[in-house]
Amino acid sequence: NAGVTQTPKFRVLKTGQSMTLLCAQDMNHEYMYWYRQDPGMGLRLIHYSVGEGTTAKGEVPDGYNVSRLKKQNFLLGLESAAPSQTSVYFCASRGSVGEQFFGPGTRLTVL
Amino acid sequence: AQSVTQPDIHITVSEGASLELRCNYSYGATPYLFWYVQSPGQGLQLLLKYFSGDTLVQGIKGFEAEFKRSQSSFNLRKPSVHWSDAAEYFCAVGLSGGSYIPTFGRGTSLIVHP
Repeated sequence: NAGVTQTPKFRVLKTGQSMTLLCAQDMNHEYMYWYRQDPGMGLRLIHYSVGEGTTAKGEVPDGYNVSRLKKQNFLLGLESAAPSQTSVYFCASRGSVGEQFFGPGTRLTVL
Repeated sequence: AQSVTQPDIHITVSEGASLELRCNYSYGATPYLFWYVQSPGQGLQLLLKYFSGDTLVQGIKGFEAEFKRSQSSFNLRKPSVHWSDAAEYFCAVGLSGGSYIPTFGRGTSLIVHP
């Protein structure tokens, strides 16, 4: 039981490049979330999903897109990366009483 | 609007001393309550949770938290802190029903002196 995994762990992009972050969970959870964490800003919700085939915007969705084609996977895409998207990205899934299980994070730097 | 406040940005304690981290929330109903810990370079790990029943809940790593409805608080405690407890601690609150989007506090950074 791996829990929540994220790939890649680190990535450096140039401004304007695109990339996709992959999140996978093996707990059969319906809800999944993408957050970004910046110093002094806490966790901010980017997008979330309440089930396969569904997505919804969170607090800071601009510049990001997501897809949930399979229940176990939640993808976060950056179509045209900007330096403001330099951050640590965390994926999470929701357990039976609302607790969240977090992945180890992806550290992204946009130059 | 719902909110979660962790009044202390940083707390410094000596190893072996007791610890209390504060969390206050603003909700109309009794929410689900959680504490998470984040070690440097890691993701968040659930320490404990409250959703009903006994207002004193036990968690992992020797932590406990007490839900006080009258004070809208859910403070985290540990009787004797270890150097390995140095980390960032987050309080979170969620409501049952509808789209479940928990609200996180800004976090409290715990520094442990030897």
